[in-house]
Amino acid sequence: AQSVSQHNHHVILSEAASLELGCNYSYGGTVNLFWYVQYPGQHLQLLLKYFSGDPLVKGIKGFEAEFIKSKFSFNLRKPSVQWSDTAEYFCAVNSGGGADGLTFGKGTHLIIQP
Amino acid sequence: NAGVTQTPKFRILKIGQSMTLQCTQDMNHNYMYWYRQDPGMGLKLIYYSVGAGITDKGEVPNGYNVSRSTTEDFPLRLELAAPSQTSVYFCASTHRLINQPQHFGDGTRLSIL
Repeated sequence: AQSVSQHNHHVILSEAASLELGCNYSYGGTVNLFWYVQYPGQHLQLLLKYFSGDPLVKGIKGFEAEFIKSKFSFNLRKPSVQWSDTAEYFCAVNSGGGADGLTFGKGTHLIIQP
Repeated sequence: NAGVTQTPKFRILKIGQSMTLQCTQDMNHNYMYWYRQDPGMGLKLIYYSVGAGITDKGEVPNGYNVSRSTTEDFPLRLELAAPSQTSVYFCASTHRLINQPQHFGDGTRLSIL
């Protein structure tokens, strides 16, 4: 069975600080990796995804993530955060052709202080 | 584009009552999913469907039923509501082609009292 671990449940940063949110997964086969964001009161939105190819993936709103296969990691980064980045961030994984249900981490609640 | 639409947005049920959470998508997606999100936890898969007439259990299916009579609709039914089913429920869909992300609805916040 797959599992996803997000290292930080709560992160508080000041505006313009750099961000890195950790995500590790456990699965021996080929995986598809995702980061979703959930703004307060809204549904999940896709930030970025990795299926194959370049392990450095760029997403929306200046976010990027790097897939390191040897470490089973897919950490999310942003060089300079904004107050509007305050949200819940979820790492997720599925396997096979990508149609499987997603396995989610518990989420990281990010608060950006002005 | 409407995307994935869930109704209702909020609902309070009494223990033992039944209800159906509606989910419809207008993107002609073959695959549809139901997740629940509990406080401090990630989403957990309840049921999924790879096409009309085909459904399968996810990680936490107990206490729920689904049906998929059309490509567009994937309702989730609670037959005997229990307090443990208090949660936020999200429906999602994706295309059958590989390398497609899942699109999520706005969620249904359900409280069982």
